[in-house]
Amino acid sequence: DGGITQSPKYLFRKEGQNVTLSCEQNLNHDAMYWYRQDPGQGLRLIYYSQIVNDFQKGDIAEGYSVSREKKESFPLTVTSAQKNPTAFYLCASSAPGLAASTDTQYFGPGTRLTVL
Amino acid sequence: QKEVEQNSGPLSVPEGAIASLNCTYSDRGSQSFFWYRQYSGKSPELIMSIYSNGDKEDGRFTAQLNKASQYVSLLIRDSQPSDSATYLCAAQNTGFQKLVFGTGTRLLVSP
Repeated sequence: DGGITQSPKYLFRKEGQNVTLSCEQNLNHDAMYWYRQDPGQGLRLIYYSQIVNDFQKGDIAEGYSVSREKKESFPLTVTSAQKNPTAFYLCASSAPGLAASTDTQYFGPGTRLTVL
Repeated sequence: QKEVEQNSGPLSVPEGAIASLNCTYSDRGSQSFFWYRQYSGKSPELIMSIYSNGDKEDGRFTAQLNKASQYVSLLIRDSQPSDSATYLCAAQNTGFQKLVFGTGTRLLVSP
């Protein structure tokens, strides 16, 4: 099956701990993204990567880090510097469309992170 | 001012009726628009994309775009209880892949 997988589905973290969220895709998509969703708010972009070994900060990158060593994988680390990490984290991927720079993003099932 | 605005709802419609969901955007450079459906506790799933002014139909769904008015809408015909979800509108600027999301409209379809 082609798609995007995220693990774990639920994650509990103690204050002061770093945790890493996994995102893997087998859609052969070049671009990958991390979003955060809080109740009553829209999705906010944390980081994105258009090609392997390259990534850019999104709107709320502080307290997060990423790597893109393989096309299929884009792990997100939530560090202890992130003040309010409890949220629903969504990974997405896309492949550039035929039209100029338009593409469609598809989402993984998400990871729900709770800080205890 | 939010870049993409949606009424949070809930929008309540009876089964079989037409549900009309609306979205406005502030960036005139936005060229691509997407509607996602999100069930409670789940991730967003793509319903439709639209790039040109006018209507685009796919089954019971019709997306409408008016770039002059900076307005996007989604019509759901013959609404079903299974359509009850939050609908997210997103805009994308050509040449830049960032999606800007609205906060979503919650739709409730009663049997």
